[in-house]
Amino acid sequence: VQLVESGGGLVQPGGSLRLSCAASGFTFRDCAMAWVRQAPGQRLEWVSDINGSGGTTYYAGSVKGRFTISRDNSNNVLYLDMDSLRAEDTAFYYCAKGSSRYYSYYIDVWGKGTPVTVSS
Amino acid sequence: QSALTQPASVSGSPGQSITISCTGTRSDIGLYNYVSWYQQHPGKAPKLLIFDVDNRPSGVSNRFLGSKSGTTASLTISGLLPEDEADYYCSSFTSSNTLAFGGGTKLTVL
Repeated sequence: VQLVESGGGLVQPGGSLRLSCAASGFTFRDCAMAWVRQAPGQRLEWVSDINGSGGTTYYAGSVKGRFTISRDNSNNVLYLDMDSLRAEDTAFYYCAKGSSRYYSYYIDVWGKGTPVTVSS
Repeated sequence: QSALTQPASVSGSPGQSITISCTGTRSDIGLYNYVSWYQQHPGKAPKLLIFDVDNRPSGVSNRFLGSKSGTTASLTISGLLPEDEADYYCSSFTSSNTLAFGGGTKLTVL
């Protein structure tokens, strides 16, 4: 089972970025997926969740209306579109495999993460 | 969503046992048995240690034990080893269908 994130980088405040996560080694469409972030030296923060079919999504209040989670079950890829980025969005973003088809009751597999820095 | 409450740090000597607490509310830990614990070494991704309060994934040592009472969950590590030195995070599914994480506890093995 492997999750490989890409797309992180340096972006100016107010800018946009798309993160991708390539999944392998499990039946992707049967698993909820999530994004979890961690600011430097800070705690883990759940960002967003999507069910196996992609029809239901959830967001943390801090990103709701600015971030969009989606998935391509044909190609086993998870996405996070981030708009109106702020300095406080600076963090390492982890792609995470949820524990069931419907919700991420817990995370059983983590990617290595990709860094996002929002700065002028 | 609110974070769960963990002590910032705990310490113990090799061979000893330590317990990390994780306090939530009736909307998360007190509502579901979906408490999980993660170990994170510096510069690494988190690793699942405990799920559904007291279950260990395959390959995780039985020195790690999870429990729950009311709105507080606990992780006990027995027979401390130097490689147990890491950050530990608790998590719980919530009534809002989200995941709440604790603030993290730094374990120092003296």
